[in-house]
Amino acid sequence: AQSVTQPDIHITVSEGASLELRCNYSYGATPYLFWYVQSPGQGLQLLLKYFSGDTLVQGIKGFEAEFKRSQSSFNLRKPSVHWSDAAEYFCAVGGGFKTIFGAGTRLFVKA
Amino acid sequence: DSGVTQTPKHLITATGQRVTLRCSPRSGDLSVYWYQQSLDQGLQFLIQYYNGEERAKGNILERFSAQQFPDLHSELNLSSLELGDSALYFCASSPGLNSPLHFGNGTRLTVT
Repeated sequence: AQSVTQPDIHITVSEGASLELRCNYSYGATPYLFWYVQSPGQGLQLLLKYFSGDTLVQGIKGFEAEFKRSQSSFNLRKPSVHWSDAAEYFCAVGGGFKTIFGAGTRLFVKA
Repeated sequence: DSGVTQTPKHLITATGQRVTLRCSPRSGDLSVYWYQQSLDQGLQFLIQYYNGEERAKGNILERFSAQQFPDLHSELNLSSLELGDSALYFCASSPGLNSPLHFGNGTRLTVT
């Protein structure tokens, strides 16, 4: 069955520290992969996407993600977190109505 | 700004009532999707329309229905509302069937 797992329900990092949010997926074919961010009171905003090609994908707001087929992972990274990055982050696989979302990881940033 | 517009932002209504949520997709996007987000269920896909036709159904209750109009805006109708229908309802749009989704800011529905 197709699924997306985000093992961490919430993560706390200090401002200026690096960040890695984990995502593992199960998908029959070559996956389309996405990361979305949801700030309080807002909808989900697309951070980045992977369709094919270079496995290291750059996104908006200084985020990047690396597709590792052997590990079925698509982890999101940022070298230096800002307080404004505090939000909920969703990994997703599939695209269109086939999009399967993970349960989300809530990021807390401490000063 | 995703370009997807949802109205109203907030809606408070009583059990048994009917409400209509409205969505205008991004310019040029033919697909519209409706999602429900609640604390216990997470993000649940309800239904998709593509260029006016229903294309896919997810976990949508029979009390809920949707349509997409010729100008591509969409409406989600929720009837015989129950307390458990209180949630955030998101509309998303995309240009194609496998494209990334672009979400509106949602309608927060509170059923009292």
